[in-house]
Amino acid sequence: DGGITQSPKYLFRKEGQNVTLSCEQNLNHDAMYWYRQDPGQGLRLIYYSQIVNDFQKGDIAEGYSVSREKKESFPLTVTSAQKNPTAFYLCASSSLTTQTSSYNEQFFGPGTRLTVL
Amino acid sequence: AQKITQTQPGMFVQEKEAVTLDCTYDTSDPSYGLFWYKQPSSGEMIFLIYQGSYDQQNATEGRYSLNFQKARKSANLVISASQLGDSAMYFCAMSGGMFSGGYNKLIFGAGTRLAVHP
Repeated sequence: DGGITQSPKYLFRKEGQNVTLSCEQNLNHDAMYWYRQDPGQGLRLIYYSQIVNDFQKGDIAEGYSVSREKKESFPLTVTSAQKNPTAFYLCASSSLTTQTSSYNEQFFGPGTRLTVL
Repeated sequence: AQKITQTQPGMFVQEKEAVTLDCTYDTSDPSYGLFWYKQPSSGEMIFLIYQGSYDQQNATEGRYSLNFQKARKSANLVISASQLGDSAMYFCAMSGGMFSGGYNKLIFGAGTRLAVHP
């Protein structure tokens, strides 16, 4: 079955630690995204990538880093510089849209819930 | 800048009745897309329906329809014949055009929590 996997499902971090969230997709999508969701709020874009070895900051990139060494994988590192990292993290992927089409259905993984102890 | 507003934090509906979830948006792009996603308590995001800004007819997908009023910049989701399994968070989202970072980015509203009562 094609889809997006995220691991781990739950993650606990001590103050001052870096942690890496995994995201893998086998949908052959070029674009991948990381979102953060806080309780009772919508999704906010952290980083996105449209091609291997290239990525762009989203609205809340401070304290996060990413890499895109393979098309299938887009790991997110939450660094110690992120002051309030407790949140639900969602990874998504999509085909690249053309300049004439606004259709961009993003497919989401099951998410990782990160808690800082 | 683009913005999505969902003014209803929570909604209740009786099973088998229809319900409308509100979404208004703001953009300076002439071309954009509007999406609705469902998020059950498990946390996954499920795509429901899409409407392009140039589409002449309102989008429909089974029990879901999108009431698109371009002049009023609204894209309300209508769920007909509600079921208990429809209880979830619902998010409205927009893809931008050349003035808003491109179509490959989505901006989400804060969401509406829908509770379906038997």
